[in-house]
Amino acid sequence: EAQVTQNPRYLITVTGKKLTVTCSQNMNHEYMSWYRQDPGLGLRQIYYSMNVEVTDKGDVPEGYKVSRKEKRNFPLILESPSPNQTSLYFCASMGQGNYGYTFGSGTRLTVV
Amino acid sequence: KQEVTQIPAALSVPEGENLVLNCSFTDSAIYNLQWFRQDPGKGLTSLLLIQSSQREQTSGRLNASLDKSSGRSTLYIAASQPGDSATYLCAVASGGYNKLIFGAGTRLAVHP
Repeated sequence: EAQVTQNPRYLITVTGKKLTVTCSQNMNHEYMSWYRQDPGLGLRQIYYSMNVEVTDKGDVPEGYKVSRKEKRNFPLILESPSPNQTSLYFCASMGQGNYGYTFGSGTRLTVV
Repeated sequence: KQEVTQIPAALSVPEGENLVLNCSFTDSAIYNLQWFRQDPGKGLTSLLLIQSSQREQTSGRLNASLDKSSGRSTLYIAASQPGDSATYLCAVASGGYNKLIFGAGTRLAVHP
């Protein structure tokens, strides 16, 4: 089944403890993105990648890092999480040809 | 800067009604427009994708139209059912295929 898989689905962590949210797609897609969703602010793009080793900042990149060493994986790294990064995070992928994005099921992160 | 607005913010209707959800965007230079459905606490499910050169797309009881020149799209849901209850999000690819700008969504409740 074609899908975008995120892990974990739920995560509670403490301020300052580094964490990684994984994202993997099995559709051989070139484009991948990370979004966060917050009440009243909607979905906002954090980082995106156009292919292996090609990444760029979205609208809200502060406090996040990404890497794209393999085409299928696009992990989101929070080096020193803070409570304002408590949010619902989505990974998405899209192939060349402009067929629209496929989203993962989301990761609900709570930073205390 | 591209902005996407969805009206109404919330809608409650009896089962069987035909519905129209509205989406407007400020910059007509878009690559495509995508309608998503989101169930509470869940991921985004793509419903319809309209390329910038297209006027409409249909899938089952759903029909989406696009008028780029006026910066508008509508999602028409025919014969609504309780299972249609969800939040509907409109997103435009603007500034690149990889950059989706989302509206705040329309929360739909269909009651029996």
